[in-house]
Amino acid sequence: DTGVSQDPRHKITKRGQNVTFRCDPISEHNRLYWYRQTLGQGPEFLTYFQNEAQLEKSRLLSDRFSAERPKGSFSTLEIQRTEQGDSAMYLCASSPPVKGAHTQYFGPGTRLTVL
Amino acid sequence: AQSVTQLGSHVSVSEGALVLLRCNYSSSVPPYLFWYVQYPNQGLQLLLKYTSAATLVKGINGFEAEFKKSETSFHLTKPSAHMSDAAEYFCAVSEGSGGSNYKLTFGKGTLLTVNP
Repeated sequence: DTGVSQDPRHKITKRGQNVTFRCDPISEHNRLYWYRQTLGQGPEFLTYFQNEAQLEKSRLLSDRFSAERPKGSFSTLEIQRTEQGDSAMYLCASSPPVKGAHTQYFGPGTRLTVL
Repeated sequence: AQSVTQLGSHVSVSEGALVLLRCNYSSSVPPYLFWYVQYPNQGLQLLLKYTSAATLVKGINGFEAEFKKSETSFHLTKPSAHMSDAAEYFCAVSEGSGGSNYKLTFGKGTLLTVNP
């Protein structure tokens, strides 16, 4: 199995711009999670997909954030009108449908810097 | 609601010494517990997990952890530290009982430094 992949690995943008990140989960993993990690903190849950359905969103996910998983495979996370406070590492994780569903495997993350 | 407390944001040990990283959790249902390691500018790598089977769990790279329900703890240990163990370590809890969302709640992390 190839692991979870994320693209890009690094993104620098100016305040007010829109950015989009992509996550490709491990093949056949139907659960997909997004987390945000700021400097010196542990990751915080943002949102969860089971197949193509977005089943839970954290209150951290403001109206400027949107996530999709259109065909139940890869997922995208878009941030509109970025703010400096959005600077963080965005992590994606996936887990299998049944056996081991509680165990998440993480990608390398996308580090966002908003200037 | 579930929560995790990692005691000590920074632990420093000598190479060859015992590593002990502390984690206490709070959960309203029997939890799943995890330790992840993160190297600089990288994602999280799973070290080990407790999923209600054996209370002493062995993981990769010689690490192990013991689930103690009475103490609500899941401390991570390694008998002999190696320079390559220097990284940040995160303890995490997941409930997910009866549902499909096994979202993780993480502690703030413990930075492990290994001195030669």
